[in-house]
Amino acid sequence: GAGVSQTPSNKVTEKGKYVELRCDPISGHTALYWYRQSLGQGPEFLIYFQGTGAADDSGLPNDRFFAVRPEGSVSTLKIQRTERGDSAVYLCASSQNGPNQPQHFGDGTRLSIL
Amino acid sequence: GENVEQHPSTLSVQEGDSAVIKCTYSDSASNYFPWYKQELGKGPQLIIDIRSNVGEKKDQRIAVTLNKTAKHFSLHITETQPEDSAVYFCAANTNAGKSTFGDGTTLTVKP
Repeated sequence: GAGVSQTPSNKVTEKGKYVELRCDPISGHTALYWYRQSLGQGPEFLIYFQGTGAADDSGLPNDRFFAVRPEGSVSTLKIQRTERGDSAVYLCASSQNGPNQPQHFGDGTRLSIL
Repeated sequence: GENVEQHPSTLSVQEGDSAVIKCTYSDSASNYFPWYKQELGKGPQLIIDIRSNVGEKKDQRIAVTLNKTAKHFSLHITETQPEDSAVYFCAANTNAGKSTFGDGTTLTVKP
């Protein structure tokens, strides 16, 4: 079966632009997570969805970052007024039935802000 | 919040030797501890996990131990092979859903 799919795989944009990153989780997985990974570091938690609602968004760094999951499946991470410091790999993961279940990761979107 | 420390940051072993990676955590509410393997350009892949009601778990050449009192857990890989070369991450999770990762260990297995 299909794993977690993230699009685009790479995104290059200019400082100040708006970007959207998409995540298609494994079918039937109710939990979805977004992480950000900088070079040489572990993934950093951003937000966790259980169904359509954000159960924990404490990792979003500021109000330029926003994520939605309107139908409890596909999720979009949105970044406004991008800054060079936003450059990183953005990873999405999904799991069955909520927290503390094995998470299945996509291969990420590599975001570069020029 | 939770803080996870992982060491060593790099580890080089000869093929066939064992490799051990250690992590400590700070939040006593953490109760689920997965380990991931990440290859270049790919997302992390779960290789083994352990819950706080278990002290040890083994899956073929891979084992994980957990000491709740000391708040540390370790990954053990026996009979290492060149294809085990990758970056390994530990993580600590609470029931709230948030995962905190260590900064990774780059394992190199020399043939």
